Amino acid sequence: EAGVAQSPRYKIIEKRQSVAFWCNPISGHATLYWYQQILGQGPKLLIQFQNNGVVDDSQLPKDRFSAERLKGVDSTLKIQPAKLEDSAVYLCASSLDFGQGSDNEQFFGPGTRLTVL
Amino acid sequence: QKEVEQNSGPLSVPEGAIASLNCTYSDRVSQSFFWYRQYSGKSPELIMSIYSNGDKEDGRFTAQLNKASQYVSLLIRDSQPSDSATYLCAVKLTGGGNKLTFGTGTQLKVEL
Repeated sequence: EAGVAQSPRYKIIEKRQSVAFWCNPISGHATLYWYQQILGQGPKLLIQFQNNGVVDDSQLPKDRFSAERLKGVDSTLKIQPAKLEDSAVYLCASSLDFGQGSDNEQFFGPGTRLTVL
Repeated sequence: QKEVEQNSGPLSVPEGAIASLNCTYSDRVSQSFFWYRQYSGKSPELIMSIYSNGDKEDGRFTAQLNKASQYVSLLIRDSQPSDSATYLCAVKLTGGGNKLTFGTGTQLKVEL
């Protein structure tokens, strides 16, 4: 079974530029998550989708970050304009569904490492 | 107060020893508890989950949960150099769906 795919793996931009990340979840997984992991910290949930609807975006900086999952499969996360403090690894994860069942594990992709200069 | 707290380490143990990793959480409605392993430059990988008070064993790993003390731990027996990684504690809140709240992680170094 193919895992969660993300691209690009690395991105270097200057502050005030825009950037977009792409994620393809495991086939059949209805729930998709975007996390931000700053160096030395644990992942922080930015946004959670159930199919193509947003379940939780309470920690998404909406003035500069946006995300979509139009067809309920692939998702893109965009930052515009980027700030120095956005330098982090952006992790995408997916799970079968939204529930708290013991078999509803989140599987993580390899991440995109963003450096903002 | 942080929702999930861990000692950042590094925690150094000799090969073959028991490594003990600790995590406390602040929200009493926390329902499910997880330990993820993250190698440098890699994504988190689930190694243990625990839902009820007591111990849960899986191979060399034992997770311990004490909800009254709001404390969860991970023991790694017969530590190997390949266990050297950052261990992330994560919790799910009752009614919070499948959302995970992570601690900052504890770096473990297993020395030869």
